[in-house]
Amino acid sequence: ILNVEQSPQSLHVQEGDSTNFTCSFPSSNFYALHWYRWETAKSPEALFVMTLNGDEKKKGRISATLNTKEGYSYLYIKGSQPEDSATYLCASSTGGFKTIFGAGTRLFVKA
Amino acid sequence: GAVVSQHPSRVICKSGTSVKIECRSLDFQATTMFWYRQFPKQSLMLMATSNEGSKATYEQGVEKDKFLINHASLTLSTLTVTSAHPEDSSFYICSARAGDRGRDGYTFGSGTRLTVV
Repeated sequence: ILNVEQSPQSLHVQEGDSTNFTCSFPSSNFYALHWYRWETAKSPEALFVMTLNGDEKKKGRISATLNTKEGYSYLYIKGSQPEDSATYLCASSTGGFKTIFGAGTRLFVKA
Repeated sequence: GAVVSQHPSRVICKSGTSVKIECRSLDFQATTMFWYRQFPKQSLMLMATSNEGSKATYEQGVEKDKFLINHASLTLSTLTVTSAHPEDSSFYICSARAGDRGRDGYTFGSGTRLTVV
């Protein structure tokens, strides 16, 4: 059984701070790593899907890196804004196309 | 982009009654949809994979007679919680993949908060 762990569980930052959080996953039979942004009362929104070791992806102020050998991914937010407040989910897909989600990191950005 | 519409967003029902939750893919065909359940502060847990025109595949520990899944068309999957009990109170959410298996992100519905009283 896969375990996808995210840390921290929650994070409070001030507007303008840069922040990052971690997703760790089993590295065996790895296929893809997904990051989602989930605002309250909305649908989770796909941010990135990464497949190759060393992948780095960027979308505005948000970026992510992937290390498939050691089984971790970092999500970075530069200059956090209140509208970045959300739960950030990661999910790992295996070669059998089974996808397991982490419990998420809840980010609160104070103005 | 791909959109999945899920409703109702919130439902309160009496113990013993059944509740149906619908998920529709609005601008793409979803041969496969996924149903998840989430308890407070826990991960999204996959309950079942819904396949258009065939029986759903349930995860270990999920009662197929309790959680009836129907995927009668390429754009609609339904989850019916039968004879609901308070322990079925949870957040249920569906997702679909519009593209290549595993390499494209999932498109999610907005979820249904079920409360059984």
